[in-house]
Amino acid sequence: AQKVTQAQTEISVVEKEDVTLDCVYETRDTTYYLFWYKQPPSGELVFLIRRNSFDEQNEISGRYSWNFQKSTSSFNFTITASQVVDSAVYFCALSEGYTSGTYKYIFGTGTRLKVLA
Amino acid sequence: GAGVSQSPRYKVAKRGQDVALRCDPISGHVSLFWYQQALGQGPEFLTYFQNEAQLDKSGLPSDRFFAERPEGSVSTLKIQRTQQEDSAVYLCASSFPTSGVYEQYFGPGTRLTVT
Repeated sequence: AQKVTQAQTEISVVEKEDVTLDCVYETRDTTYYLFWYKQPPSGELVFLIRRNSFDEQNEISGRYSWNFQKSTSSFNFTITASQVVDSAVYFCALSEGYTSGTYKYIFGTGTRLKVLA
Repeated sequence: GAGVSQSPRYKVAKRGQDVALRCDPISGHVSLFWYQQALGQGPEFLTYFQNEAQLDKSGLPSDRFFAERPEGSVSTLKIQRTQQEDSAVYLCASSFPTSGVYEQYFGPGTRLTVT
């Protein structure tokens, strides 16, 4: 069955430190998609990135970078030079739409990031 | 630009009451999802619509939960005879394509508290 594990419940860092959020997934499908979302205190989930199972290239967007490794079923997220505004709960999600036909997300339990000034 | 909106933002219901939660997706988005997020947990899938057709309702926890999207735009999630375990944030999300896996855009959620 599909599953997403975010083992880090809460991480605290001091501003300007780099931080990596871990995500490990389980799926039987060869075609699947992975996502990261940010949930600030306001509660609205904000889309950050989508990655399909055939694209293992790492991606960088400003201070954000993502490392996708199929061999270890991981899709980790790194924030470089963290800022207080990065404080939020971050969710990793998996979608196996091509099998289920539903395109629903399976979410991890989230990692709460606190960036201290 | 207009995102996904949900109303009410907060709802307090006495145990046994019926509630209706509304979702206005992004205009033109054909796919609509409902998720339930318990405190400290990740969202969990409830149901999925493609236009007005409810294609998956496997996540609805009981027959007290009912969702509809009669005209393929606005959707309503109804919970009958609310119970304390229904207390959660209910999130609505929409996505444009009719098929394929694309990012979903989420609303701010409705926080339901059952007393």
